[in-house]
Formats: sequence, structure tokens, C-alpha cells
Amino acid sequence: DVKVTQSSRYLVKRTGEKVFLECVQDMDHENMFWYRQDPGLGLRLIYFSYDVKMKEKGDIPEGYSVSREKKERFSLILESASTNQTSMYLCASSLSRPPMGSTFGSGTRLTVV
Amino acid sequence: SQQGEEDPQALSIQEGENATMNCSYKTSINNLQWYRQNSGRGLVHLILIRSNEREKHSGRLRVTLDTSKKSSSLLITASRAADTASYFCATDFSGGYNKLIFGAGTRLAVHP
Repeated sequence: DVKVTQSSRYLVKRTGEKVFLECVQDMDHENMFWYRQDPGLGLRLIYFSYDVKMKEKGDIPEGYSVSREKKERFSLILESASTNQTSMYLCASSLSRPPMGSTFGSGTRLTVV
Repeated sequence: SQQGEEDPQALSIQEGENATMNCSYKTSINNLQWYRQNSGRGLVHLILIRSNEREKHSGRLRVTLDTSKKSSSLLITASRAADTASYFCATDFSGGYNKLIFGAGTRLAVHP
């Protein structure tokens, strides 16, 4: 069964910490995405990548960076976590560009205290 | 904002009834997709309808698209308690974007 795996379901971090959220897909997809989901706001795109070592800013990249050293792995980095980054983070991958049926991971619920 | 908007925000029905959710968007699209999210989980792709299609079916799901009104609807027929979830529409815009824009979703509760 093909899947997108996010390394943590729940994470609690302190303000100012550097946080790494990991995402791995086994479908050989070139396209990978990081979203955050907040009540009433839907999913907002943080960063995306269409190839290894390539990244593009989404709609809300401030306070985040990403790394894509290998095709199957796309990491989201919170350089200095803040309480307003408490959210659900969702990773997705897709075969096509633009995405025509993305596969999502189960999500990481991050709490910054 | 380029975001799609779902209507209603929440819907509560009994098992066996039909559930209809609507999505409106603002600019021309290549396709529109519907996703489902069970509580606290990731999204699951349900169905995609292209801009040159008007209606599409998949099992108990029926999606319509009206590009003149920039709107789509998702109909779930003979709903079941297991259909309880949030439903999101997502659009990719034909203006050169290569990403999906999601709406805020409709929370559907199906009561036994």
C-alpha cells in the first residue's frame, strides 16, 4: 500500500527550539508539499518541491524552511518555534504537476509552549 | 484570496439521507478536487473533475461543476455514519500556478 509517512503524530516543543518535521513517501513522486491546517482556515501551503534540492515558497513560508536532499524525503524546519506555529502539519505528495490527486500523510499535531 | 469556499460550514443529517456540499472559487481552473478528512487524520482524495466536465460519479459520490458560476457541489447519496468527516474542495488555477488551493471545509455529521 503506497503511503506518505510523517515521523511524529504529536509533538510538543518549547518556544525558540529548532523543530524538524519529517515526511517520507514511497511512491517515487517528484512533487511534495507541506501544509498547515488551522480551524476555519483550511489548509494553507507552506512550501513545495518539484525535484530534489528544489523548493518553492507557498502562501505562508515565513518562519519555515525546507530540505529535500533525497526524492523520497521532504523535511519542514521551524527555525525558532513560536506559539503561533502551533498547528496541524500535513505533508503530501503527487505524481503530476499541478497535483491531480495528492496523497497525504496522517499529520503531525505540533504544540509550541 | 484565491481560496475555494465550502458551504455550509457544518451539516448534520440522519443515516440514509443525502448530503450536499458546495464549493465556490474565484478564478479559472484546470480542475477541481474533493478530499475527505477523518477527525485528526490526513486527507484522502475522493474525486477530480476537469474544467471541461460537468458531472462525475464515483460510487455514492456525485460531483458537478459549473464553470460559469465558478462553483461545484459534492453529493453523497444514502449517507452512512462512516461518512462523518470533513470534506474539502481544492482547485488548481489555470493562471500558471502549480499548486492546490484548499477551502476551509464542510464538517459532515451523519447520525445513526
